[in-house]
Amino acid sequence: EAGVVQSPRYKIIEKKQPVAFWCNPISGHNTLYWYLQNLGQGPELLIRYENEEAVDDSQLPKDRFSAERLKGVDSTLKIQPAELGDSAVYLCASSRDGVEQYFGPGTRLTVT
Amino acid sequence: GDSVTQMEGPVTLSEEAFLTINCTYTATGYPSLFWYVQYPGEGLQLLLKATKADDKGSNKGFEATYRKETTSFHLEKGSVQVSDSAVYFCPKTGGFKTIFGAGTRLFVKA
Repeated sequence: EAGVVQSPRYKIIEKKQPVAFWCNPISGHNTLYWYLQNLGQGPELLIRYENEEAVDDSQLPKDRFSAERLKGVDSTLKIQPAELGDSAVYLCASSRDGVEQYFGPGTRLTVT
Repeated sequence: GDSVTQMEGPVTLSEEAFLTINCTYTATGYPSLFWYVQYPGEGLQLLLKATKADDKGSNKGFEATYRKETTSFHLEKGSVQVSDSAVYFCPKTGGFKTIFGAGTRLFVKA
């Protein structure tokens, strides 16, 4: 079974520029998560989807972050405009049962 | 409310040493318990799990037993290798929400 796929793996942008991350979850996993992981910290949930519905986006900074999962499969997380403090690793995870999660390799974002 | 307390790191061991990373929980029910591992530059991987009291999860030589009497789920390995150097997470789960702490960083020296 293929794992969670994320792209790009690395992204360097200047502040105030937009950036987008893509995630393809494991086939059959209806639940999809986006996490932010700062250096030396654990992942922090940004948003959780059940199929195409965002059921928990309470921690998503909606002034600059947006996400979508239009067909209930792939998802895109966008930041516009990016700030220096957004430099982090963005992890996507998926789950079949809403508890046991499988993570992608992450996208390391550097904002200069 | 429910909570999980994980041992702070870093933990530094020599190769072939015995490993214990403590994880204790408080919960009104019996949540599923997990250990995840994150190797450098990678995402988290599910290492093992236990879904009910007295269950023992095991994988890659690691074990953890869901102990109801001590409300613990300590991670153990009898003989660590340099390749086990990573960050280990014992997250709090419940209500479709998983909360990860900072994890415990393990360094294994050759």
